[in-house]
Amino acid sequence: DIVLTQSPTTMAASPGEKVTLTCRASSSVSYMNWYQQKPGASPKLWIYGTSKLASGVPNRFSGSGSGTSYSLIISSMETEDIATYYCQQCCSTPLTFGSGTKLEIK
Amino acid sequence: QVKLLQSGAALVKPGASVKMSCKASGYTFTDYWVSWVKQSHGKSLEWIGEIYPNSGATNFNEKFKGKATLTVDKSTSTAYMELSRLTSEDSAIYYCTRNNYYFDYWGQGVMVTVSS
Repeated sequence: DIVLTQSPTTMAASPGEKVTLTCRASSSVSYMNWYQQKPGASPKLWIYGTSKLASGVPNRFSGSGSGTSYSLIISSMETEDIATYYCQQCCSTPLTFGSGTKLEIK
Repeated sequence: QVKLLQSGAALVKPGASVKMSCKASGYTFTDYWVSWVKQSHGKSLEWIGEIYPNSGATNFNEKFKGKATLTVDKSTSTAYMELSRLTSEDSAIYYCTRNNYYFDYWGQGVMVTVSS
């Protein structure tokens, strides 16, 4: 199974701060997907195909990476971005998710 | 618009089975795989398996083989997952999701509590 390791586990960012969340895969993957989950809600597709923003996702979000290292970047943190973000590898079964990064506001 | 509407919460006894549903609307049900995902309390997400409604073909995470059974009813655009021989480790929220090389739509989740 491909293990996805997300870092940091938790982080706090100030409004306006740039945020970088990292996802590292135990083997090379073709591309990475990201999901946002807020407490009590279902996960939402946030970024797919490594860098494509899902519908309605603000353009302060971006995704990048290749091989075994991927990132989700927020150019300027906003309060509404408080959530847990999960990466997910698309293409090797079993499909796997990272353990998540909980993003808080400072 | 695409919607996945799941059945309600379930309280079940250890050793019993539970079957939950996921009714799809807003798209051609037979064109997309439907995956099921487990989220234990406060924890991450685990992919259980997927079913292709057009053919009934399935793929499973080895961890859930023998635990989960996936079926569909094409006439009602509904996917089902049955979990058997339940233990406390099966207490979790279970989501159905449309699989389009990424999980683009999610149901609201079914909370399953296994308790005597």
